[in-house]
Amino acid sequence: DGGITQSPKYLFRKEGQNVTLSCEQNLNHDAMYWYRQDPGQGLRLIYYSQIVNDFQKGDIAEGYSVSREKKESFPLTVTSAQKNPTAFYLCASSWQGSYNEQFFGPGTRLTVL
Amino acid sequence: DQQVKQNSPSLSVQEGRISILNCDYTNSMFDYFLWYKKYPAEGPTFLISISSIKDKNEDGRFTVFLNKSAKHLSLHIVPSQPGDSAVYFCAASAFGYGGSQGNLIFGKGTKLSVKP
Repeated sequence: DGGITQSPKYLFRKEGQNVTLSCEQNLNHDAMYWYRQDPGQGLRLIYYSQIVNDFQKGDIAEGYSVSREKKESFPLTVTSAQKNPTAFYLCASSWQGSYNEQFFGPGTRLTVL
Repeated sequence: DQQVKQNSPSLSVQEGRISILNCDYTNSMFDYFLWYKKYPAEGPTFLISISSIKDKNEDGRFTVFLNKSAKHLSLHIVPSQPGDSAVYFCAASAFGYGGSQGNLIFGKGTKLSVKP
């Protein structure tokens, strides 16, 4: 079964702690993306990676970091510098290039207490 | 400054009738448009897309219309079913946007409720 997995589904952390969200895909896609969704808002791009060992900041990268050491994996770290980290985080992947739809994982709901 | 706008936060339709969801964009460089459907606490699923060389694309009950001169697209669902109740996001991309191909800009979504 090809797809994108994100774990865990729900995550709770104390304020001031860093937390890493997992994203794995077995679709052999080159490109991977992280989005954040807040209530009543669209999806906002945090980081994206078009190829292994390369990634670029999206619209709201401050307070986040990523790595892309393997094609299948694109973990997102929410650092203590992120001022409002409680949100629904979505990972996506696609074939590289234009005119390709992105496939999304099930999401991780992060709550910072 | 929103480049992709979905001005109706919600829409309610009777089962069997047509649902029309609208989307406007401001960036004339956008050349590929997509619609996604999203249930609460789940990831969006791709529904249908259209490139700027077309003005209509159909897939079963779903049809997307593109009016480039008005910078407007719409998603028609006929007939609407209760299972269609979800949030629908419009997204757009432009070749090379943001320094990279394939990046999508999303609207804020329209919540569709289809009543039996």
